[in-house]
Amino acid sequence: DAGVTQSPTHLIKTRGQQVTLRCSPKSGHDTVSWYQQALGQGPQFIFQYYEEEERQRGNFPDRFSGHQFPNYSSELNVNALLLGDSALYLCASSYSGQGLGYTFGSGTRLTVV
Amino acid sequence: QKEVEQNSGPLSVPEGAIASLNCTYSDRVSQSFFWYRQYSGKSPELIMSIYSNGDKEDGRFTAQLNKASQYVSLLIRDSQPSDSATYLCAVAPNDYKLSFGAGTTVTVRA
Repeated sequence: DAGVTQSPTHLIKTRGQQVTLRCSPKSGHDTVSWYQQALGQGPQFIFQYYEEEERQRGNFPDRFSGHQFPNYSSELNVNALLLGDSALYLCASSYSGQGLGYTFGSGTRLTVV
Repeated sequence: QKEVEQNSGPLSVPEGAIASLNCTYSDRVSQSFFWYRQYSGKSPELIMSIYSNGDKEDGRFTAQLNKASQYVSLLIRDSQPSDSATYLCAVAPNDYKLSFGAGTTVTVRA
């Protein structure tokens, strides 16, 4: 049973560029949430997708956007990258009827230079 | 005030001892509470969830919840070197998101 799969695992981008991160949820899960974890901090909620709609959004600027596809996979897009966007980006999947006991993916480490 | 606060670390305990981790939260409407373990360079792994006041035990781990005091704790009994990690307290203020603390790093000395 495949868990949550994220790609790529590492990424280096230059300030001002755009990046797309991808996530495939665990089998049977229909909800995908994205989190940003800066070094030494806890994960911060970016947004959650369910039924291809953004259901809730955290305190992140519009430069952060996302999408969920009919197969429940999801993308996180970040435009106009800033140095402060350097972080571990975590995708978490869950089943809508089972609360927030997330399964996290292994994450994408984004470095902005 | 931060939504979720954890006791500052790092916490160093000898092998076989009890490690005690504390967490307070600010949003009284929160109903779901979680503890995650995160090894260095890895993603968080769910180890405990608790929804009702009182204690919940799972192997060497015990989670305690006191909603009146807005307090959650995690006890790790018979600590092992493999328990050395950062422990994240997470609180669900609604059905859609988790608010995490900054984490407490635990080191178990052999």
